[in-house]
Amino acid sequence: GAGVSQTPSNKVTEKGKYVELRCDPISGHTALYWYRQSLGQGPEFLIYFQGTGAADDSGLPNDRFFAVRPEGSVSTLKIQRTERGDSAVYLCASSLGYNTEAFFGQGTRLTVV
Amino acid sequence: QKEVEQDPGPLSVPEGAIVSLNCTYSNSAFQYFMWYRQYSRKGPELLMYTYSSGNKEDGRFTAQVDKSSKYISLFIRDSQPSDSATYLCAAYRGGADGLTFGKGTHLIIQP
Repeated sequence: GAGVSQTPSNKVTEKGKYVELRCDPISGHTALYWYRQSLGQGPEFLIYFQGTGAADDSGLPNDRFFAVRPEGSVSTLKIQRTERGDSAVYLCASSLGYNTEAFFGQGTRLTVV
Repeated sequence: QKEVEQDPGPLSVPEGAIVSLNCTYSNSAFQYFMWYRQYSRKGPELLMYTYSSGNKEDGRFTAQVDKSSKYISLFIRDSQPSDSATYLCAAYRGGADGLTFGKGTHLIIQP
């Protein structure tokens, strides 16, 4: 596709439920990033994939958060037992690889009620 | 102290003015520096990408990096109301590393 695509654009879920957020990167981009942006803050790094493997997952806040990228293209961020504090915009970005520009999607706005 | 500091504003200037946006950072390992523009309820849009110290110009936008003082700047010439947005600075060490962002500065260009 022309840009990074994220679905859904909005997600409302009840506390305790499981959610999956999807990211479709720019075609040919091997690097994929997930970030979380709370209101009034800059994006915070969660996880970085190079190809299929998670090269750096140091930003995942706890073991309720998990991400996969099984074929080196589409990625899914999974959140178990959601909490109200997980409410934020989840952003995905992709790049050609190390040391190149990263381009962001429009984000998924997650609201946990 | 956050690794990248940015005044959240708001910064309000009249149309046509030169805008100066700034960030400071603390991690001397950062090698790459970026500016993103973010409109309300949209994803960040890459404006400028620079490596190490120096200036880079693209149309009305000029990015400056001074690694000796750990200072990053973005200048916008002939500012337009459509430039009203949040401007995020970001820094990156290189390699298998994520971007570290500032909080963003909310810019308002008054017609």
